[in-house]
Amino acid sequence: AQSVTQPDIHITVSEGASLELRCNYSYGATPYLFWYVQSPGQGLQLLLKYFSGDTLVQGIKGFEAEFKRSQSSFNLRKPSVHWSDAAEYFCAVGAVLTGDDMRFGAGTRLTVKP
Amino acid sequence: DTGVSQNPRHKITKRGQNVTFRCDPISEHNRLYWYRQTLGQGPEFLTYFQNEAQLEKSRLLSDRFSAERPKGSFSTLEIQRTEQGDSAMYLCASMVEEGSYEQYFGPGTRLTVT
Repeated sequence: AQSVTQPDIHITVSEGASLELRCNYSYGATPYLFWYVQSPGQGLQLLLKYFSGDTLVQGIKGFEAEFKRSQSSFNLRKPSVHWSDAAEYFCAVGAVLTGDDMRFGAGTRLTVKP
Repeated sequence: DTGVSQNPRHKITKRGQNVTFRCDPISEHNRLYWYRQTLGQGPEFLTYFQNEAQLEKSRLLSDRFSAERPKGSFSTLEIQRTEQGDSAMYLCASMVEEGSYEQYFGPGTRLTVT
């Protein structure tokens, strides 16, 4: 069965520092992979997605993620974090067109220190 | 604003009462999803519609839960005889079946069962 693991429950970084959020997945076929961000009182917003092709994916707000099939990973990165990036981040895997296939990780809460 | 809207945003109810939530998707999005999110967890799939047809239901959706999308536009999620374990955030998302495969999420309805 498909699953997503986000090993880090909470990460704190200083503003301007680089960021990497980890995501490992288990999926029986070629996965569709997503990163969403959730701010308090807001709906989840898609940062980026990977379906196929170039394994380095660029997203909104300066985020990128790299798909590594050999490691079953899809880590999210940002070279310089801004205070407004503080939020909850969710990795998800699935086949999209079949609803029950979508699986979200438990999330990583990002705190940004001034 | 033409995003996904959900009403009410908050609902407090007593155990045993029935509650109903509404989701208005982005117009012309033919897919509509319901998720449940508990504290410290990512969203868990409940059910989804393609137009007015309910195509899939999660095992999480007990017989106390029912969802409808009568005209293929807005959707309602009803919980009968609520239990304290039903306390959660209920999220709705919509998506165009063909295209970017991006689910657009609403802000959610937070249910508290006392």
